[in-house]
Amino acid sequence: QKEVEQDPGPLSVPEGAIVSLNCTYSNSAFQYFMWYRQYSRKGPELLMYTYSSGNKEDGRFTAQVDKSSKYISLFIRDSQPSDSATYLCAMRYSNDYKLSFGAGTTVTVRA
Amino acid sequence: DTGVSQNPRHKITKRGQNVTFRCDPISEHNRLYWYRQTLGQGPEFLTYFQNEAQLEKSRLLSDRFSAERPKGSFSTLEIQRTEQGDSAMYLCASSLSGRNTEAFFGQGTRLTVV
Repeated sequence: QKEVEQDPGPLSVPEGAIVSLNCTYSNSAFQYFMWYRQYSRKGPELLMYTYSSGNKEDGRFTAQVDKSSKYISLFIRDSQPSDSATYLCAMRYSNDYKLSFGAGTTVTVRA
Repeated sequence: DTGVSQNPRHKITKRGQNVTFRCDPISEHNRLYWYRQTLGQGPEFLTYFQNEAQLEKSRLLSDRFSAERPKGSFSTLEIQRTEQGDSAMYLCASSLSGRNTEAFFGQGTRLTVV
């Protein structure tokens, strides 16, 4: 079993819809949680960064962390075709610096 | 552009050849990481530098792989005697030190071994 599980999709939604993405993880010691966006043949771009449990909002993006369930989510409101990309969840321990990634979910927003 | 810079962007090499990739981190970042990403998978950690010191290496980093960061600035990743299984995207990231820091990735070097 992988440390971080993420449904690869693909996920296809119409423009304006809410995109819901999630990851589960097995190690309760993870403390920092991130979401990266990766366009085809490009490097990952950091979208959201949260510490421990709770919610964080940034524009159209909301990240949620539920440590009791070992479950993190990313919501994209009012999705745009430019949001079409692969979304990677990542996490790390408090005293470590390397990231453990999910496999990524491919999202297509249809115009 | 003040982001993480990687060169070359693409590299095609014949099996058995050596290749070297370069990463220039964000200038004030003292931590530098190398990851490898294969198709349909998330990046996997390879190695990590704090300044010029290589502090951790993954078991994925076989003895054919070597990384350096002389003077704590740019870093190089060399793969000797390349194999087809080495074909992947090699990603470099950098961050500041401290607990509450974020890693920023470069655009990656895509290696194809034929």
